[in-house]
Amino acid sequence: RKEVEQDPGPFNVPEGATVAFNCTYSNSASQSFFWYRQDCRKEPKLLMSVYSSGNEDGRFTAQLNRASQYISLLIRDSKLSDSATYLCVGSNAGNMLTFGGGTRLMVKP
Amino acid sequence: DGGITQSPKYLFRKEGQNVTLSCEQNLNHDAMYWYRQDPGQGLRLIYYSQIVNDFQKGDIAEGYSVSREKKESFPLTVTSAQKNPTAFYLCASSTTGLANGELFFGEGSRLTVL
Repeated sequence: RKEVEQDPGPFNVPEGATVAFNCTYSNSASQSFFWYRQDCRKEPKLLMSVYSSGNEDGRFTAQLNRASQYISLLIRDSKLSDSATYLCVGSNAGNMLTFGGGTRLMVKP
Repeated sequence: DGGITQSPKYLFRKEGQNVTLSCEQNLNHDAMYWYRQDPGQGLRLIYYSQIVNDFQKGDIAEGYSVSREKKESFPLTVTSAQKNPTAFYLCASSTTGLANGELFFGEGSRLTVL
């Protein structure tokens, strides 16, 4: 079983829609979680950290559910520019970051 | 401007040849990493270094080698022993080697073996 698993998508949504991605992790001792965004053929960039209490940054909300071992990313009022692959990242047993395979989002006009 | 520079951006190699990918950072970060990304897959850790003159194997180190002689530089050599080297290679750095800091990535090097 992969340490961090994501639905690869693609999620095709119209502009203005709300879309949510989930990601599950297998290491119950994981302490740190992040969402990275990766545009096509580009490097990943940090979108937001995920805190136990949840956190919000504009249209983006990230939440952590330790009991069920998943994290989520909610995007409200989707923009065309949100089209990208979203990588779920958690810390592994060696306290290194481990990446999920990514969820591809396509926002259509 | 501070950042991470990878070169070359695109590289073609014949089977049996070694190739070295360059990674330089001027962020004064202690930790540096090499990841490999295959189409539709997540990043897999090849090697990492938390301090100069020290580095550790990641999950897929076989067929690769690294050095960390300077804080700013962490070159990766893809050797002929790597069975399937065609991939997108990403170098990253962070302030610490622990999983609580942001990773800053270079723009990547796309290696194709002919």
